Amino acid sequence: EAGVAQSPRYKIIEKRQSVAFWCNPISGHATLYWYQQILGQGPKLLIQFQNNGVVDDSQLPKDRFSAERLKGVDSTLKIQPAKLEDSAVYLCASSLDMGTGLSTDTQYFGPGTRLTVL
Amino acid sequence: DAKTTQPNSMESNEEEPVHLPCNHSTISGTDYIHWYRQLPSQGPEYVIHGLTSNVNNRMASLAIAEDRKSSTLILHRATLRDAAVYYCIPYGGATNKLIFGTGTLLAVQP
Repeated sequence: EAGVAQSPRYKIIEKRQSVAFWCNPISGHATLYWYQQILGQGPKLLIQFQNNGVVDDSQLPKDRFSAERLKGVDSTLKIQPAKLEDSAVYLCASSLDMGTGLSTDTQYFGPGTRLTVL
Repeated sequence: DAKTTQPNSMESNEEEPVHLPCNHSTISGTDYIHWYRQLPSQGPEYVIHGLTSNVNNRMASLAIAEDRKSSTLILHRATLRDAAVYYCIPYGGATNKLIFGTGTLLAVQP
């Protein structure tokens, strides 16, 4: 079974530039998550989609971050304009969760995109 | 959200058992205890989860205290590939998202 795919793996930009990350979840997984992981910290949830609807975006800095999941499959996360503090690894994860609220739902993570903002 | 406390780091020798503790004294009665680990330069991966009873799978065992205020992840024979950050996360009942702390960095010596 193919895992969660992310691209690019690495990205270096200057502050005030824009950047986009792409995620392809495991086939059949209804729920997709984007996390931000700053060096030395655990991942922090930015946004959660169920199919193509947003379930939770309470931690997403909406003035500069946006995300979409068209057709309920692939997703893109965009930052515009980037700040120095956005330097982090951006992780995408997916899970089967069909909205039943199963408490045993396992999340499968991709390898992440390492963003460096200069 | 339930707060968890884990040692910042632990060391083990290869092929020896490792016991990774976690305190979660404020855990909701409906939250499961999930463990994930993150190998260097990779995304986190699921290890095991449980509610009240001890659990075993091919990767590890999970021992849950009777009062559910703490749990221990047990790796029966550590290998070099088990060197990772291990996260203990209450999830799935009252807590409907994975909230990662800083975890325990496990070093495995040959």
